[in-house]
Amino acid sequence: KAGVTQTPRYLIKTRGQQVTLSCSPISGHRSVSWYQQTPGQGLQFLFEYFSETQRNKGNFPGRFSGRQFSNSRSEMNVSTLELGDSALYLCASSLAMGDEQFFGPGTRLTVL
Amino acid sequence: GENVEQHPSTLSVQEGDSAVIKCTYSDSASNYFPWYKQELGKRPQLIIDIRSNVGEKKDQRIAVTLNKTAKHFSLHITETQPEDSAVYFCAASNPPSGSARQLTFGSGTQLTVLP
Repeated sequence: KAGVTQTPRYLIKTRGQQVTLSCSPISGHRSVSWYQQTPGQGLQFLFEYFSETQRNKGNFPGRFSGRQFSNSRSEMNVSTLELGDSALYLCASSLAMGDEQFFGPGTRLTVL
Repeated sequence: GENVEQHPSTLSVQEGDSAVIKCTYSDSASNYFPWYKQELGKRPQLIIDIRSNVGEKKDQRIAVTLNKTAKHFSLHITETQPEDSAVYFCAASNPPSGSARQLTFGSGTQLTVLP
């Protein structure tokens, strides 16, 4: 079975721009979670989607949003980028809510 | 919300020795505790997990223990090998309440196994 995939793998943007990241879960997995990883803050939960609905949200500003499609693929969007948004964005999929999560390779976002 | 503290932040051991990483959590309702290994430039990989109805779980050289009363859990790696060198993250999760399970991660432990 193919693992979790994320596109793009690397992205460079400038302050004020917006960005959309994509995550394709493992086939059959219906839950997708997003995390931000930075050296200073570690791994922080952004949100989780299940059946096209956001089920849980972490402590991030409204500039961070996401969605899930009927095929369980998920996208996250960050608007009005700030320098502090530079991070590795990881998505993780699980069979259902509450099951073990498997991570994708991440998207490395650099904001200049 | 849940808060997870992880110690030590760095750990160096000689090849063949054991390594122990400890985590404490704050929310007594948490009932799922996974451990992830992240090698440099790679994704976190689940190496072992434990649920609150179990006190210990073992998988070859890796074991996890859970003390619900004290709200702490530990990762034990025996007979360490150079390929065990990586950053290890613990996490804790609240039970779902008609909603999703949210993983709260510890700050990570950089384990270095010296040959």
